[in-house]
Amino acid sequence: QSALTQPPSASGSPGQSVTISCTGASSDVGGYNYVSWYQQHPGKAPKLMIYEVSKRPSGVPDRFSGSKSGNTASLTVSGLQAEDEADYYCTSYAGSNIYVIFGGGTKLTVL
Amino acid sequence: QVQLQESGPGLVKPSETLSLTCAVSGYSISSGYYWGWIRQPPGKGLEWIGSIYHSGNTYYNPSLKSRVTISVDTSKNQFSLKLSSVTAADTAVYYCTRQWGNCSGGRCYFSWFDPWGQGTLVTVSS
Repeated sequence: QSALTQPPSASGSPGQSVTISCTGASSDVGGYNYVSWYQQHPGKAPKLMIYEVSKRPSGVPDRFSGSKSGNTASLTVSGLQAEDEADYYCTSYAGSNIYVIFGGGTKLTVL
Repeated sequence: QVQLQESGPGLVKPSETLSLTCAVSGYSISSGYYWGWIRQPPGKGLEWIGSIYHSGNTYYNPSLKSRVTISVDTSKNQFSLKLSSVTAADTAVYYCTRQWGNCSGGRCYFSWFDPWGQGTLVTVSS
């Protein structure tokens, strides 16, 4: 099972919106609503930002939103702020036996 | 507030077994959820290693399954990872984490990881 496909990098200016994609297959992203997104700052542990495609944990700003269409999930960050600069990873349930698969990560730069 | 803390040797020799423990505070492992290990080689992405339920049921990444053992000690509220026959490719930051899961009718579904431990770097070198 290959990793989910994410663009290596993304960027935007403060106040703008940026969308990061996460492409899988019908056996993972497309088949289940168990996609989640994580933010990781350098030297820190990942932090859950979105779960079950579009749900936000308590404390995560509503500037972060998630969606899915077919085999591709997306994370949108609106009103970009300097502290949003980080690596972002998607993950999905991938069926029995494989269970969990990660994307390769996207480095978001706030210009 | 749920907190997780990894502990174990930071240096392991090639061909030996990597052993880590994750101590959980603020939540009883026996109360539910699954408990997992994830690793991140330096400068690279995240890789799920495996997860365990308090009953002892385990679920492993197929690519690591032959070398991985995850166990749980509910009396100490901790769970552990053993990875055998390590090589330099196993050098990584290892995280422990709580995971949502639902197993019924012989089928298991897994979702988000939260919270995470701070991570511990394990280097495989002679």
